[in-house]
Amino acid sequence: EVQLVESGGDLVQPGGSLRLSCAASGFTFSSYWTGWVRQAPGKGLEWVANIKEDGSQKYYVDSVKGRFTISRDNAKNSLYLQMNSLRAEDTAVYYCAREINCGHWGQGILVTVSS
Amino acid sequence: DVVMTQSPLSLPVTLGQPASISCRSSQSLVYSDGNTYLNWFQQRPGQSPRRLIYMVSNRDSGVPDRFSGSGSGTDFTLKISRVEAEDVGVYYCMQASHWPPITFGQGTRLEIK
Repeated sequence: EVQLVESGGDLVQPGGSLRLSCAASGFTFSSYWTGWVRQAPGKGLEWVANIKEDGSQKYYVDSVKGRFTISRDNAKNSLYLQMNSLRAEDTAVYYCAREINCGHWGQGILVTVSS
Repeated sequence: DVVMTQSPLSLPVTLGQPASISCRSSQSLVYSDGNTYLNWFQQRPGQSPRRLIYMVSNRDSGVPDRFSGSGSGTDFTLKISRVEAEDVGVYYCMQASHWPPITFGQGTRLEIK
């Protein structure tokens, strides 16, 4: 069974940093693009970033470019999102999703940016 | 960026009756490989999104056959043949033909009348 489990969410002050993790199991992690999608409270879904199977290509939504970094460790079956210079508008539930077409999702993790 | 526009945004439906959600893209979603990467997701209250349909009309494993997807180019539709109580939630279309960025529709909230 495919499983994606996010961790690392927290309450952080504006300007602060946070690193999210996503532990994958039940499939060959190194064979899939993987990414992050977020959902602000009461709002819709917003794609954040994707990373290729071998980590050689990374893409971001404009609003996080230069602040967020997606990475992966295929030996650990793990995906990461380093978030710097956090803003109030980054407050959201962050989901890890397998494949460009988001065939599988994690349960999500809440990131709150507030003073 | 490709803009995805869903309608209606709110959809009250009587149990057992059909439901239909429209999704329009600002440009054709036919990719250079000939495929159309238009997907549909369901998000039940308090749950993560779940993909129902991929590449316009292919049902994901475990998705009831009362769900169907159709369309081409810029116009797409998700249909539920007979709405059940468990179908309550928000439905999103998403395109991955022209990315980055991957873009979602605003969501359609389905409720039981």
